[in-house]
Amino acid sequence: DGGITQSPKYLFRKEGQNVTLSCEQNLNHDAMYWYRQDPGQGLRLIYYSQIVNDFQKGDIAEGYSVSREKKESFPLTVTSAQKNPTAFYLCASTPTLANTEAFFGQGTRLTVV
Amino acid sequence: QQPVQSPQAVILREGEDAVINCSSSKALYSVHWYRQKHGEAPVFLMILLKGGEQKGHEKISASFNEKKQQSSLYLTASQLSYSGTYFCGTAYNTDKLIFGTGTRLQVFP
Repeated sequence: DGGITQSPKYLFRKEGQNVTLSCEQNLNHDAMYWYRQDPGQGLRLIYYSQIVNDFQKGDIAEGYSVSREKKESFPLTVTSAQKNPTAFYLCASTPTLANTEAFFGQGTRLTVV
Repeated sequence: QQPVQSPQAVILREGEDAVINCSSSKALYSVHWYRQKHGEAPVFLMILLKGGEQKGHEKISASFNEKKQQSSLYLTASQLSYSGTYFCGTAYNTDKLIFGTGTRLQVFP
């Protein structure tokens, strides 16, 4: 079955450490997105990519980095510069443009202690 | 710029109706609606493109007022399964999808 896989589902890290969240899709979608979800704030866009080897900052990119070396993969690194990294992170993809249905992964809950 | 949803929360009895609004300060190219159960991935409900259309999906429908940059989601004769958080997603052009603040809907027997 086609879909988006995020791993791991739960992640614990010590403050000051970088951590990478995995997002893989086998839907052959061109565009991929990372969102952060906090209670009462909805889904906020961190980074997005419309094509391999190209990505753009979203509304809250500070303290995060991404890469898009393969069409099916869009990993997100939460760096030590992110001041409040504890959150639920969702990865999504769309076939091409943003005016098509988005498919989401199951999310990764990151807790920094 | 994140679209604003209202109300923030809705409590219903089974069979009652609800309207959720999504408002943007910028011109919209399209509006998406999704429902998310706690701890799960958002699930696609429908998408409305520029042109002021209205769409329906079982007892859930939506409208898009292009002039006002607003969309409304209509839930009629609500069921327990409708409980969750509803998000509107907006595209101001074709390259990125921005989501709203969310509306939490709870349906009780």
